[in-house]
Amino acid sequence: QKEVEQNSGPLSVPEGAIASLNCTYSDRGSQSFFWYRQYSGKSPELIMSIYSNGDKEDGRFTAQLNKASQYVSLLIRDSQPSDSATYLCAVINSNYKLTFGKGTLLTMNP
Amino acid sequence: GAGVSQSPSNKVTEKGKDVELRCDPISGHTALYWYRQSLGQGLEFLIYFQGNSAPDKSGLPSDRFSAERTGGSVSTLTIQRTQQEDSAVYLCASSLEPVNTEAFFGQGTRLTVV
Repeated sequence: QKEVEQNSGPLSVPEGAIASLNCTYSDRGSQSFFWYRQYSGKSPELIMSIYSNGDKEDGRFTAQLNKASQYVSLLIRDSQPSDSATYLCAVINSNYKLTFGKGTLLTMNP
Repeated sequence: GAGVSQSPSNKVTEKGKDVELRCDPISGHTALYWYRQSLGQGLEFLIYFQGNSAPDKSGLPSDRFSAERTGGSVSTLTIQRTQQEDSAVYLCASSLEPVNTEAFFGQGTRLTVV
């Protein structure tokens, strides 16, 4: 079982719509959860962190964590062309290892 | 500096040569991570440091790869006898603590083995 799993996509959403990205993780003792955005040819850029169950909102982004289901999600409201990128889910597990999913490619429909 | 700094930005080396990649973390960050990203692929975990210690070396692909960290700051990733399959972008990230703090990436070193 992979440590962090994401649907590779591509996920295509209309401009102005809500994009929903999902991630599951295998280590129930995982403690910290992150979403990164990576443009082609660039380094990953942190966009959200979440450490406790529930929702966390920052501007157009909302991260959701459900530790019982071992599930993390990211919602992007009012999707913009600049949101087209690969979104990486990352988890710090019980051994303090920061592990990444393979990423979901998000594209916008004009 | 304000962010994670990696050098060189680009490195072209001949097969069989040794290379050293450097990572200068954000000042005060105790945790440091190395990853490898091949073209079109995800981030492959290589090694993690807490201070100068490496609790998890499980991702190093072979004994040609080694890493060290000195003074709880700068880290060097060394690849001996490079092979073409070592060509990739090598990324370094640092965080203040190993849990419940955010990790930030450097710009990466693009290694090309010819």
